[in-house]
Amino acid sequence: DGGITQSPKYLFRKEGQNVTLSCEQNLNHDAMYWYRQDPGQGLRLIYYSQIVNDFQKGDIAEGYSVSREKKESFPLTVTSAQKNPTAFYLCASSWGTPRETQYFGPGTRLLVL
Amino acid sequence: GQQVMQIPQYQHVQEGEDFTTYCNSSTTLSNIQWYKQRPGGHPVFLIQLVKSGEVKKQKRLTFQFGEAKKNSSLHITATQTTDVGTYFCAGRNDYKLSFGAGTTVTVRA
Repeated sequence: DGGITQSPKYLFRKEGQNVTLSCEQNLNHDAMYWYRQDPGQGLRLIYYSQIVNDFQKGDIAEGYSVSREKKESFPLTVTSAQKNPTAFYLCASSWGTPRETQYFGPGTRLLVL
Repeated sequence: GQQVMQIPQYQHVQEGEDFTTYCNSSTTLSNIQWYKQRPGGHPVFLIQLVKSGEVKKQKRLTFQFGEAKKNSSLHITATQTTDVGTYFCAGRNDYKLSFGAGTTVTVRA
């Protein structure tokens, strides 16, 4: 069953704590992305990666970090430097550049306690 | 930088009626994509328009790309309860795909 998986579905973070969101795809896509979605707003790009061991900052990268050690995996770490982390986080992948059709995972909802 | 604006933000529709949502870009786009996100779900790709003035149909949904490739519209006829959700346009320019804020559609039965 091909697709993109994200875990966990819900995540709670304490003040000052780093948390890591998982994103895995078995679609053999080269490119992967992380978006943040807030109520009443569109999707804002955090980071994207077009190839293993390479990634680029999106529009709102501050307070986040990523790695791309494997083609299938693109984890996102929300650091304590991100002052307003409560949001719905969506991972996506595509065959090539960010211009291609993107396939989204089910999302992770992050809440700060 | 590139901005993609969508109107209206919310659309309340009587079942059986038609409605249109609009997408406008501050820059000329290479192409435009439309996605639908059901309540509690994730965005799902609907269609991509590439050519100036292009019109594509998917059953009751009609997508149009403007002649200047700076705007697009989605028209839904005979709205059904299954149409509930948020519709996003995403404009492609060079390396980047920029999403609009979406139009959230609710349907009155």
